[in-house]
Amino acid sequence: ETGVTQSPTHLIKTRGQQVTLRCSSQSGHNTVSWYQQALGQGPQFIFQYYREEENGRGNFPPRFSGLQFPNYSSELNVNALELDDSALYLCASSRTGAATNEKLFFGSGTQLSVL
Amino acid sequence: AQKITQTQPGMFVQEKEAVTLDCTYDTSDPSYGLFWYKQPSSGEMIFLIYQGSYDQQNATEGRYSLNFQKARKSANLVISASQLGDSAMYFCAMRAGGMDSSYKLIFGSGTRLLVRP
Repeated sequence: ETGVTQSPTHLIKTRGQQVTLRCSSQSGHNTVSWYQQALGQGPQFIFQYYREEENGRGNFPPRFSGLQFPNYSSELNVNALELDDSALYLCASSRTGAATNEKLFFGSGTQLSVL
Repeated sequence: AQKITQTQPGMFVQEKEAVTLDCTYDTSDPSYGLFWYKQPSSGEMIFLIYQGSYDQQNATEGRYSLNFQKARKSANLVISASQLGDSAMYFCAMRAGGMDSSYKLIFGSGTRLLVRP
């Protein structure tokens, strides 16, 4: 059983640029969610995709967007990067994403630095 | 509003001793789940233990146990026989029932645990 994998592991961008982060979900999981973890803080929910449709979104502006593909892998796109977007971006997969007892399986994250 | 509070930014524990990491939560939903995750320096969030709001007994997973006090809205993690490899950030998280919130985990700010040899 393969785990959640994210790429790239590290990324450096400049303010105003666009970035795409990628995630492969764990085998058998059809739900992917993305979290932003700023330095010294807990992860914050960005959005979730279930069977290629966004079915939940946190308090993030529209310049944060995503996709989920038929193989349940996912992308997180951030446009017009700002300095405050510098963070660890975590991808998590689960079977349905909607049960209170369902645990999430996380990848190791992509560390994004915006200069 | 749903919220997780971890009031210990950092903790020290001597190797082989037990340590308790505090977590309090706030939700008006009767159905919710509480999770603890470990985050080593590599960044990956590793699931440790789960407690459901309707569970009658405290959850245990090996050296990890969860001291669940529903009336006080607390879900403290107890690590017994600490090991050097337990040094990491620990996050308490909650997923509450209800159509608007069951899809996301709400995390606390974390506790950094350092195990001394």
